[in-house]
Amino acid sequence: GENVEQHPSTLSVQEGDSAVIKCTYSDSASNYFPWYKQELGKRPQLIIDIRSNVGEKKDQRIAVTLNKTAKHFSLHITETQPEDSAVYFCAAALPRGSYIPTFGRGTSLIVHP
Amino acid sequence: EPEVTQTPSHQVTQMGQEVILRCVPISNHLYFYWYRQILGQKVEFLVSFYNNEISEKSEIFDDQFSVERPDGSNFTLKIRSTKLEDSAMYFCASRTGGTEKAFFGQGTRLTVV
Repeated sequence: GENVEQHPSTLSVQEGDSAVIKCTYSDSASNYFPWYKQELGKRPQLIIDIRSNVGEKKDQRIAVTLNKTAKHFSLHITETQPEDSAVYFCAAALPRGSYIPTFGRGTSLIVHP
Repeated sequence: EPEVTQTPSHQVTQMGQEVILRCVPISNHLYFYWYRQILGQKVEFLVSFYNNEISEKSEIFDDQFSVERPDGSNFTLKIRSTKLEDSAMYFCASRTGGTEKAFFGQGTRLTVV
């Protein structure tokens, strides 16, 4: 099955700095890569996703890049704000049946004002 | 915006008891999932459900677990003979058939004592 590794486990930045979270996946057949943000005590929220036919996708201050050859993908957050503080999960899904996302361990992002 | 809802938000049960966790997926969604997250660990896939049957399940989803869609709206996870190690946050998720995007409920925190 798919295995997703995510790092760092904790990331501390100053407000206004950029933050980068990196993930690798094991199965080259995976073709869908969502990112979820989970604030304390709340549900994981889908914030951005990318499919394998695209190398980069941007939505305001967040962007995701995908390198299929190296089997890694990254989340970039620019101009971080305190409300970006949360746990971020990357995931990878294989194109079969239920498109089950396999999650990384999560990155706790702390943005200091 | 429609959301996946889960009840209860917190369930405390004695070891050996049976619990039923309930989920109401988004109404036009066709695929349903249960995940669990043990404190400090990654979100782990348990089972997916489509067309009134299990489509995939993980190694974790053994005979202790079962799922059911008793009516047109609810999706339940039953855990029999609960063990201490079943203590975790359990998330329900759902998606339509036309997209890979999965939407999560707010979770049920199960504490087995």
